Amino acid sequence: GQQVMQIPQYQHVQEGEDFTTYCNSSTTLSNIQWYKQRPGGHPVFLIQLVKSGEVKKQKRLTFQFGEAKKNSSLHITATQTTDVGTYFCAGFSRGNTDKLIFGTGTRLQVFP
Amino acid sequence: DVKVTQSSRYLVKRTGEKVFLECVQDMDHENMFWYRQDPGLGLRLIYFSYDVKMKEKGDIPEGYSVSREKKERFSLILESASTNQTSMYLCASSWGHQETQYFGPGTRLLVL
Repeated sequence: GQQVMQIPQYQHVQEGEDFTTYCNSSTTLSNIQWYKQRPGGHPVFLIQLVKSGEVKKQKRLTFQFGEAKKNSSLHITATQTTDVGTYFCAGFSRGNTDKLIFGTGTRLQVFP
Repeated sequence: DVKVTQSSRYLVKRTGEKVFLECVQDMDHENMFWYRQDPGLGLRLIYFSYDVKMKEKGDIPEGYSVSREKKERFSLILESASTNQTSMYLCASSWGHQETQYFGPGTRLLVL
């Protein structure tokens, strides 16, 4: 079945350092969404990317959708302690638009 | 603001018990979803529903059933709980296909 993998699984950074998580799908995606889950919380929607090669920014966060629509990345510039949490990508496969397939997640820890 | 509520934050049950997890959303969303979240595995879709009395199997439906008698309410049923169903259960809802999903706070279920 379709798989969406994320790397790394864990990342510890010093406050102020940059952070990137990568998302790779085994199948072509029609779109991709990113969610953030704070410790003890539930996933909260961040953004959706639809077009091949699309890049979107939210303050210090930059999201990119690959040209082949099989991968995506989230880059955080100058991390802050408020960035702590697990970041999930999630995509709808072109072949099956009913189900949102979540990636395995990247847990970010930021040390002050 | 969209509000998705779940009946319990924490639940402890014994093996073989029948377990009901309830989810209610207040935004008249068409679609509702049940996921389970386990470390290293991300969120996995159990069942989803696009309309009242309609249900579709997700990726891991075995051992679960669902009920959607009213648009705002989606119940997950564990017919005979087993220890491998110990997990965090997350309910979500969305307005339409491929739209943002809004999550409830989650129910952490422990089966002894």
